[in-house]
Amino acid sequence: EGQLVESGGGLVQPGGSLRLSCAASGFTFSGYWMYWVRQAPGKGLEWVACIKGDGSAKYYLDSVKGRFTVSGDNAKSSLYLQMNSLRVEDTAVYYCARDGVGAGPDFDYWGQGTLVTVSS
Amino acid sequence: QSVLTQPPSVSAAPGQKVTISCSGSSSNVGNNYVSWYQQHPGTAAKLLIYDNNRRPSGIPDRFSGSKSGTSATLDITGLQTGDEADYYCGTWDSSLSAFVFGTGTKVTVL
Repeated sequence: EGQLVESGGGLVQPGGSLRLSCAASGFTFSGYWMYWVRQAPGKGLEWVACIKGDGSAKYYLDSVKGRFTVSGDNAKSSLYLQMNSLRVEDTAVYYCARDGVGAGPDFDYWGQGTLVTVSS
Repeated sequence: QSVLTQPPSVSAAPGQKVTISCSGSSSNVGNNYVSWYQQHPGTAAKLLIYDNNRRPSGIPDRFSGSKSGTSATLDITGLQTGDEADYYCGTWDSSLSAFVFGTGTKVTVL
């Protein structure tokens, strides 16, 4: 049974930086695409970024390109999201999720989420 | 602004059926697999349907998915109070090179 645990959220001023971590267990981390999904207060789900298990491919939401960087450490079974030049509109609960067994992307395991608040 | 459109809300009495639509385009729903998620307040989302119509282990057959052209549908039959939640469709968008979620639908059990 897979498990994902996020950490690293908190309060940061606009223009600041934060690094989120997601510790994975119960499955072979390197064999899966991994995703970051966020949810602003009272809003819907929004995909942020994803990375292939071997790190050879990465994709980003347009509004975070050039500011956010997704990475993974297979030795530590961990996923990261480096967030720079943070904006008020980046305020959200950030979830990491694992790609499921389907032919298309789908998220079968989710973490509990970590709250990022960008405010002065 | 999501490229996948869902009705904001649907409702029905216990035991009845609700249908949630997810309307997209040829760059997303029309040519890629659709998944569906259930989210209760304050919790992470849960995968209900993947690859348009397949259920993960443990998901009851009261939940079913289908796709036709550029629209997908989630049906919930035998509605239960525990089904009150927000529901989201999602799929890859080949033009955006991004995963997109639907606008979300709140299901209310009357």
